[in-house]
Amino acid sequence: SAVISQKPSRDICQRGTSLTIQCQVDSQVTMMFWYRQQPGQSLTLIATANQGSEATYESGFVIDKFPISRPNLTFSTLTVSNMSPEDSSIYLCSARGAGANVLTFGAGSRLTVL
Amino acid sequence: GENVEQHPSTLSVQEGDSAVIKCTYSDSASNYFPWYKQELGKRPQLIIDIRSNVGEKKDQRIAVTLNKTAKHFSLHITETQPEDSAVYFCAASRGSNYQLIWGAGTKLIIKP
Repeated sequence: SAVISQKPSRDICQRGTSLTIQCQVDSQVTMMFWYRQQPGQSLTLIATANQGSEATYESGFVIDKFPISRPNLTFSTLTVSNMSPEDSSIYLCSARGAGANVLTFGAGSRLTVL
Repeated sequence: GENVEQHPSTLSVQEGDSAVIKCTYSDSASNYFPWYKQELGKRPQLIIDIRSNVGEKKDQRIAVTLNKTAKHFSLHITETQPEDSAVYFCAASRGSNYQLIWGAGTKLIIKP
């Protein structure tokens, strides 16, 4: 299965700033996803990153707050914009190969907003 | 839409005993059911999965069973070891073009 590199692994940010998280996959994948995971909680899907088109956002998440890019089949970024302490969480990218069910995750980015 | 319920939220077992975690799903069109293990501070990792054309699948000490009629599936871990301590998530989907719907997770504690 694909190997995913995600960075930064953690960051401490000031309220009102923005942070971009990068996700690099070692092979071409069909679908890439961005999740948020609060401590002790399950995985919440933010959006599906579509190659060459706008991301598909889940209910409760909007493009202005979480802009996503996916310029090719191996790379995606998630930006957390105008951050507030409520955005403190772990953000995970994940990927799935063509016709495959298995979902592989990056190591996660732990974001703390002061 | 699909909903996945997972029980229990916390499970504590004696080392060497068996552990069973159960999930129910609502969408009868779901046909893929993975289980992920997430150790503290680590990424979720797939440990076993099952498709709807199979009733049971085993991999060493881990097994998953699926009851399509009742719409539930279970993870069985035998001869538990300290390294089995983690949070386990079940999920369900309609297939490779659909997102996974996740359970709430089960924290498994192995007591020495």
